[in-house]
Amino acid sequence: GENVEQHPSTLSVQEGDSAVIKCTYSDSASNYFPWYKQELGKGPQLIIDIRSNVGEKKDQRIAVTLNKTAKHFSLHITETQPEDSAVYFCAATTSGGSYIPTFGRGTSLIVHP
Amino acid sequence: GAVVSQHPSWVICKSGTSVKIECRSLDFQATTMFWYRQFPKQSLMLMATSNEGSKATYEQGVEKDKFLINHASLTLSTLTVTSAHPEDSSFYICSARGFLGYEQYFGPGTRLTVT
Repeated sequence: GENVEQHPSTLSVQEGDSAVIKCTYSDSASNYFPWYKQELGKGPQLIIDIRSNVGEKKDQRIAVTLNKTAKHFSLHITETQPEDSAVYFCAATTSGGSYIPTFGRGTSLIVHP
Repeated sequence: GAVVSQHPSWVICKSGTSVKIECRSLDFQATTMFWYRQFPKQSLMLMATSNEGSKATYEQGVEKDKFLINHASLTLSTLTVTSAHPEDSSFYICSARGFLGYEQYFGPGTRLTVT
């Protein structure tokens, strides 16, 4: 089955800095890669996603890049703000079957004002 | 768009009782719904996947007789924790996926505490 590794587990930055979270996956058949933000006590919120036919996608201050050859994808947050503090999860979804995503272990992002 | 609700948001019950959690897709029809369990500072653990009108598919190690899942309509799925025990205390989160696309949208979660 699919295996997703996510690093780092904790990331501390100063407000205004950039933050990068990286994930690797094992199944070359995976073709959909969402990123979720989870605030304390709440459910995960889909913030950006990318499909395997695209190398990069951007939405305001967040962007995701995908390297299919190396099987890794990354989340980039620029100009971080305290409200960006949360746990971020990456996931990889394989085509076929029930399209069940495999999640990474999560990254706790702390943005210091 | 793509809003998923859960009810209740938190519940406290006594050991041995059953608790039902509802998950609704408010503005789209969900062909597939997922139920997750999350322990503090851990990732999401998939419990089961359900398709409307079909029996749920449970992940290995999840007791289907203890965690009853019913996906009665394209907008509603329920999880019933039967004969709850303190070790069932956790954060339960549902998610839903529509007819098209891979996008999966999560509910706000339900905090279950069994005393």
